[in-house]
Amino acid sequence: AQSVAQPEDQVNVAEGNPLTVKCTYSVSGNPYLFWYVQYPNRGLQFLLKYITGDNLVKGSYGFEAEFNKSQTSFHLKKPSALVSDSALYFCAVGKEYGQNFVFGPGTRLSVLP
Amino acid sequence: DTAVSQTPKYLVTQMGNDKSIKCEQNLGHDTMYWYKQDSKKFLKIMFSYNNKELIINETVPNRFSPKSPDKAHLNLHINSLELGDSAVYFCASSPYVNQPQHFGDGTRLSIL
Repeated sequence: AQSVAQPEDQVNVAEGNPLTVKCTYSVSGNPYLFWYVQYPNRGLQFLLKYITGDNLVKGSYGFEAEFNKSQTSFHLKKPSALVSDSALYFCAVGKEYGQNFVFGPGTRLSVLP
Repeated sequence: DTAVSQTPKYLVTQMGNDKSIKCEQNLGHDTMYWYKQDSKKFLKIMFSYNNKELIINETVPNRFSPKSPDKAHLNLHINSLELGDSAVYFCASSPYVNQPQHFGDGTRLSIL
């Protein structure tokens, strides 16, 4: 069965600084990896995915993530944080030919002006 | 034009009642999902349908019964509501399994 860890409940960063939200996963076979963002009182919004190809994946709103197979990680990054990036971020993992997938517990990102 | 819409947005009811939540997607997707998000924001998949067929049925009490009358709709009926059912329920859809999902804005269920 798949599992996802987001080791930080909360990440604080100053506006304009780079941000990283961490995700590690466990899955047998090839992973399908996703990042979603949730704003208050809204549903999750898809940011980016890794299925195959380049390890560096670019997504919406200037976010990117790096797939690292040896470390089983898929950390979310952005070079310069905005106050409007403050939200709850979820990592999710599925697998090739699988139907099920798992969401991580979420990391709350606060970008301070 | 909302892609994934859920009704109602808020549902306040008493223990023991039966209630339904409706979900519709206008994206032409084949796969639809129901999730439960608890007060700590943990998100857990409950059910998934692909082309009206049930493909994921997680460990959910029998009181919860999904129904997909067609590919664009996935409704959730809950019998004999309990205090622990209080949560936000999200509907989502994707083109097919293992693809990015589009979420509705949730139904906040409160049991008195």
